[in-house]
Amino acid sequence: GNSVTQMEGPVTLSEEAFLTINCTYTATGYPSLFWYVQYPGEGLQLLLKATKADDKGSNKGFEATYRKETTSFHLEKGSVQVSDSAVYFCALRRPELTGTASKLTFGTGTRLQVTL
Amino acid sequence: DVKVTQSSRYLVKRTGEKVFLECVQDMDHENMFWYRQDPGLGLRLIYFSYDVKMKEKGDIPEGYSVSREKKERFSLILESASTNQTSMYLCASTRVDQPQHFGDGTRLSIL
Repeated sequence: GNSVTQMEGPVTLSEEAFLTINCTYTATGYPSLFWYVQYPGEGLQLLLKATKADDKGSNKGFEATYRKETTSFHLEKGSVQVSDSAVYFCALRRPELTGTASKLTFGTGTRLQVTL
Repeated sequence: DVKVTQSSRYLVKRTGEKVFLECVQDMDHENMFWYRQDPGLGLRLIYFSYDVKMKEKGDIPEGYSVSREKKERFSLILESASTNQTSMYLCASTRVDQPQHFGDGTRLSIL
């Protein structure tokens, strides 16, 4: 079946440090891949996405590249800020073209804490 | 901007009560979803609906039911609440092949 594995947190970094949050997946076919972010007390927001191999999604200084050969979609940011403190979820969407095509499979989430 | 509104941010109920969680979206999306979020488990899909009056079980439907009488509204029902249903509940909606949009969540405590 489909699954998403994320590195366990929490990840604690100083402001301006480099961030990597690992995400690997198992899926048949060619899924679409997503990173969602959840700020304290809020629901999930889409951060970035990639729909095919070698695509790079980017937003707010975050980037992730869809690597089919390693089945990975690692999240990176060159210089984190305190305001980036949140929980980050990696997710995949199966490629079936049916009415249920929008179902997502989520990882367990990685909490990021950025300190001054 | 898409708006997904969950009726309550916090809710406290007693064991055995019938509990209704409401979700409304304003973008005419076909698909709507209910998840629960628990520490270390991520988001798990309870039920989803791809059209009015249409529903399918997700990964953990036991103890829950849903209702979708109108396209914009998707209700989650706990038939007889139990303490192991204490959790954060998240509603989402989407058009086919588009990213899901989430509400702010309802933190439900069952005493």
